[in-house]
Amino acid sequence: EPEVTQTPSHQVTQMGQEVILRCVPISNHLYFYWYRQILGQKVEFLVSFYNNEISEKSEIFDDQFSVERPDGSNFTLKIRSTKLEDSAMYFCASSPDRAIQETQYFGPGTRLLVL
Amino acid sequence: SQQGEEDPQALSIQEGENATMNCSYKTSINNLQWYRQNSGRGLVHLILIRSNEREKHSGRLRVTLDTSKKSSSLLITASRAADTASYFCATEYNTDKLIFGTGTRLQVFP
Repeated sequence: EPEVTQTPSHQVTQMGQEVILRCVPISNHLYFYWYRQILGQKVEFLVSFYNNEISEKSEIFDDQFSVERPDGSNFTLKIRSTKLEDSAMYFCASSPDRAIQETQYFGPGTRLLVL
Repeated sequence: SQQGEEDPQALSIQEGENATMNCSYKTSINNLQWYRQNSGRGLVHLILIRSNEREKHSGRLRVTLDTSKKSSSLLITASRAADTASYFCATEYNTDKLIFGTGTRLQVFP
C-alpha cells in the first residue's frame, strides 16, 4: 500500500542553523501538508500546498519557514534559522484532493531537536 | 478556543473490554476523522465520518457523530494490547487544514 515517507527520521541541529525536512507524498496525490507536534501537545497545522503554491498557512508558519516541491516527487519544509521552540515532531501529509471529504495520509514524522 | 477536546485524557482497560473515547468540537464541520498514534510515531488514519452521517463502522471500530451536540465518539470493541496508543479526533471545515484534538491515551493490559 502506498505511503508517505519522510527523511530524516531524527535531526539534531544547533540554534540558528537551517534545516530541511524532506517528504515523499503518495504519488497520485495533489495536496500536501506539513504539521508539527511539540512534545506532549496537539498536532498543529503549518501549511498546505497545491499546484506549486501555498494554499493555506497558519500563524506558526512565519518567514522562517518555507516549502518547496523541487521535483515531481519530493516536498520539503525548510526552517531558515532554527529556534529552541522549533523542537518538535514534524509530519508531512498528502491527500488526493482537498481536505474536504478526503483523508489526509500522514508520514512517520521527523523528530527535530534544536540545541 | 480549542476545536477538539477528547475525553477521557487517559483510559486503562483490560484486553477484551470495549474502549470508548469522546471528542467535542466547537465550530461547524464537513467531516471528522479519527487517527491513532503509537508512542512517538506517525499518525494512522482510522476512519472518516462526514457531517451528514451519524454512524460508521470499520472492523472493530464504531464511530458516531452528533452534529447537534458537536460531538463524536470512537468505540473500539474487544480491545487488544496492540490497540494501546493515543487516539485523536480531527475536524475539517472549508479549509485545507485538519484541527486536532488533545487526544486520549489508551492503555490495554493483557
